[in-house]
Amino acid sequence: EVQLVESGGGLVKPGGSLRLSCAASGFTFSIYSMNWVRQAPGKGLEWVSSISSTSIHIYHADSVKGRFTISRDNAKNSLYLQMNSLRAEDTAVYFCASSTVGQCNDGSCYADYWGQGTLVTVSS
Amino acid sequence: EIVLTQSPATLSLSPGERATLSCRASQSVAIYLAWYQQKPGQAPRLLIYHASNRATGIPARFSGSGSGTDFTLTISSLEPEDFAVYYCQHRSNWPPVFGQGTKLEIK
Repeated sequence: EVQLVESGGGLVKPGGSLRLSCAASGFTFSIYSMNWVRQAPGKGLEWVSSISSTSIHIYHADSVKGRFTISRDNAKNSLYLQMNSLRAEDTAVYFCASSTVGQCNDGSCYADYWGQGTLVTVSS
Repeated sequence: EIVLTQSPATLSLSPGERATLSCRASQSVAIYLAWYQQKPGQAPRLLIYHASNRATGIPARFSGSGSGTDFTLTISSLEPEDFAVYYCQHRSNWPPVFGQGTKLEIK
């Protein structure tokens, strides 16, 4: 059974930093692209970042470029999102999602398995 | 950036009825479109990818069609558990974008 478990969310002040983690199991993590998708309270879904299987290709949404960094450790079956210079508008539930179907194109993928999400609240 | 527009915003139907949800892209995404279902407090679930391929474990009452700029998700006979918010998403190029969602509610 595929499992994705996020951790690291919490309350942080504007300008602060957080590092999210996602522990993967139940599939061959090292051969698939992985992603972070967020959802602000009561709002729709926004694709944040994608990383290819070997970390060669990394993509970030314009809204987080220069502030967020996606990374992975295939030996630990783990995905990360380092978030710096956080803003109030970054407040959201952050989902980790795998892309094991349909291939990807320039970092654009489908998200077939999702974690339960971790809430990040940016507020003073 | 490609924009996806979903219609209607809200769809009110009864169990057993047929649901038809629409997603229109601002430019062609070929067949590279997915549909997701999201229930309150839960993560989205992939239903359809490549416009018409059902994801693993998705019931046959869910079907997708379309190509280019116009896409449809059809639920042939609504079950009580189908009432949720549905999103389309393209993976034609970066960034992958979601539509704003259609809320399917019980009439």
